[in-house]
Amino acid sequence: GNSVTQMEGPVTLSEEAFLTINCTYTATGYPSLFWYVQYPGEGLQLLLKATKADDKGSNKGFEATYRKETTSFHLEKGSVQVSDSAVYFCALSDRDNGGSEKLVFGKGTKLTVNP
Amino acid sequence: NAGVTQTPKFRILKIGQSMTLQCTQDMNHNYMYWYRQDPGMGLKLIYYSVGAGITDKGEVPNGYNVSRSTTEDFPLRLELAAPSQTSVYFCASSYLRLEQYFGPGTRLTVT
Repeated sequence: GNSVTQMEGPVTLSEEAFLTINCTYTATGYPSLFWYVQYPGEGLQLLLKATKADDKGSNKGFEATYRKETTSFHLEKGSVQVSDSAVYFCALSDRDNGGSEKLVFGKGTKLTVNP
Repeated sequence: NAGVTQTPKFRILKIGQSMTLQCTQDMNHNYMYWYRQDPGMGLKLIYYSVGAGITDKGEVPNGYNVSRSTTEDFPLRLELAAPSQTSVYFCASSYLRLEQYFGPGTRLTVT
């Protein structure tokens, strides 16, 4: 089945540093790709998404490009803030034999940004 | 809109007890999901529903049951709690199947 592998954490950065969180996937067909963010004590929120190859998703200064040739969807931000401290999950859509579409999540990467 | 709400926020169960985790959404979403989140393991899908009266198993359904009698509600039932069910449980819903909206979670400890 489809799967997602994202870089192990935790990641600790200073404010204004550049962020990259790597995500690669294995999939048949053409899944949609997502980044979700989980702030402490909260549920997951959609951060950005891309539905086809070469699409770039962006939101709140974060970006990720759907790269079919490298099966990757790396998350980047040019200048992180303390408020970006959270756990980030890469996910892809996976359709089962019944046609129902579900999300497959990576294990999450915890980011801590220090002032 | 309140979005997706879950109750309770926290619960401690003894081994063998049963309980129901409640989930309600007010966005008229047809799809609803239950996940569990274990430390360092991401989210695993327990059960999902594509509409009222229709449910199906996810990746880790053993030890759980669900029902979907209305569009809004999707309760998760634990019949005989076991320590392996200690986890954080998230309910989610979606309309277009892809963009899921999550509740705040229920932290369950079984001792």
